[in-house]
Amino acid sequence: GAGVSQTPSNKVTEKGKYVELRCDPISGHTALYWYRQSLGQGPEFLIYFQGTGAADDSGLPNDRFFAVRPEGSVSTLKIQRTERGDSAVYLCASSLTSPGNTNNSPLHFGNGTRLTVT
Amino acid sequence: LAKTTQPISMDSYEGQEVNITCSHNNIATNDYITWYQQFPSQGPRFIIQGYKTKVTNEVASLFIPADRKSSTLSLPRVSLSDTAVYYCLVERYGGSQGNLIFGKGTKLSVKP
Repeated sequence: GAGVSQTPSNKVTEKGKYVELRCDPISGHTALYWYRQSLGQGPEFLIYFQGTGAADDSGLPNDRFFAVRPEGSVSTLKIQRTERGDSAVYLCASSLTSPGNTNNSPLHFGNGTRLTVT
Repeated sequence: LAKTTQPISMDSYEGQEVNITCSHNNIATNDYITWYQQFPSQGPRFIIQGYKTKVTNEVASLFIPADRKSSTLSLPRVSLSDTAVYYCLVERYGGSQGNLIFGKGTKLSVKP
């Protein structure tokens, strides 16, 4: 079946601009995650959705970053007033885990959006 | 969650068995261990998960000693296509799994 889809695969923007990154999770997956990965580093957590609500947004670096998942499926990560330091690969993942499950399901990652801020 | 420590890099040759060890000294009773694999320009991919003793699937084996303070990912007879970064993670049963800590991982290079 189809995996997690992220668009665009590459995005180049100028400093100060606004960008939106889209994630289409695996159908039926209730949990959705955004991570950010810089060169040579492992993925760093940004935000986690359970259904439509953000269950944990503790990884968002500042208020320029915002994410939504209005219908509990597709999610959009929004970055305002982009800075060169925002350049990274933004990864989205989804899983079947529901609240109260004792055995967490593995995360299924997309291939990411490579964001370059010039 | 317990912090994990693993080698930054490892080299191997095709056909060899590769063992990557991860330390997680502060692992809690309700924590388990998960390994992910990441190829260049792709997102991480789940490999294997375990709580204690040994777990085996079609890709790898995971060995966890009785004290659970470490774990070893074993890749039998590696090929060039196993060249990737391997991440060891500690997850908590029933916890909010969103905030997974990946660390820098182990970069495995398989040579012909």
